[in-house]
Amino acid sequence: AQTVTQSQPEMSVQEAETVTLSCTYDTSESNYYLFWYKQPPSRQMILVIRQEAYKQQNATENRFSVNFQKAAKSFSLKISDSQLGDTAMYFCAFMKPPEGRDDKIIFGKGTRLHILP
Amino acid sequence: EPEVTQTPSHQVTQMGQEVILRCVPISNHLYFYWYRQILGQKVEFLVSFYNNEISEKSEIFDDQFSVERPDGSNFTLKIRSTKLEDSAMYFCASSVGQGLTNQPQHFGDGTRLSIL
Repeated sequence: AQTVTQSQPEMSVQEAETVTLSCTYDTSESNYYLFWYKQPPSRQMILVIRQEAYKQQNATENRFSVNFQKAAKSFSLKISDSQLGDTAMYFCAFMKPPEGRDDKIIFGKGTRLHILP
Repeated sequence: EPEVTQTPSHQVTQMGQEVILRCVPISNHLYFYWYRQILGQKVEFLVSFYNNEISEKSEIFDDQFSVERPDGSNFTLKIRSTKLEDSAMYFCASSVGQGLTNQPQHFGDGTRLSIL
C-alpha cells in the first residue's frame, strides 16, 4: 500500500522568504503522480503543482517548485518569495496510474504554513 | 473558473440520525469522489463514482454509507445512522477524466459534519 508522510506539522516564515515543505512517500510502483494541494482558511483545496514520476525534470509553477528525488522517494515543495496569501495547509499527495477503477488520491497529514508579515 | 460546490458548510446531527451531504460537481466532469478528514488526521478516500455506479470504495465506506447522483447535477453522500466517529470534514471532488494529470481532481470547500 502507498503511504505519504509529511514530517512538519507546522511552519512559520517571514514574508518574502523562501520555505521548503518536506514530503516522503512509499510505493512499489514505478510510475505515478505526485501533487501538492493547498487548503487556505477559505477551505477549498487547490492543486498547486503536480509531477509525473517518469519525468526527471522538476515541475515549476511560478513561485512554486518541487524537488523530486525518485530514488529517495522524496517530493518537497519550495515556495519562493512567500506571500501572506500563501498561508494555508499544504497536502502532499500521491496517485498511481489508474488501473481499471483505482484513481484515488492518497494524502499526507498536511503541513500548516504561516507566512508572517 | 468553475468550482465544485458543497452544501451545507456545517452540519450538526444527533447520533443515529441520517445525514445527506450534497455536492454539485463541475458541469462537464464525469468522475466523482468523496474524501473525509477527521480532525488532526489525513484526508482519506471514501468512494469514487462513474457512470452511475461506484467505481471503488475504501474500507471506511461500509453499509452505512451510500452515494447517489439523483438528477444529473447533484452528487450526494448519505450516512444512514451516524456515529460519533463520523464527525469529520467531508470533501467532494470531481474530474473530467480518470487519473490524468492534465485533468486533476477538483475539490469543494468541504462540509464539516459534527455528530452529537
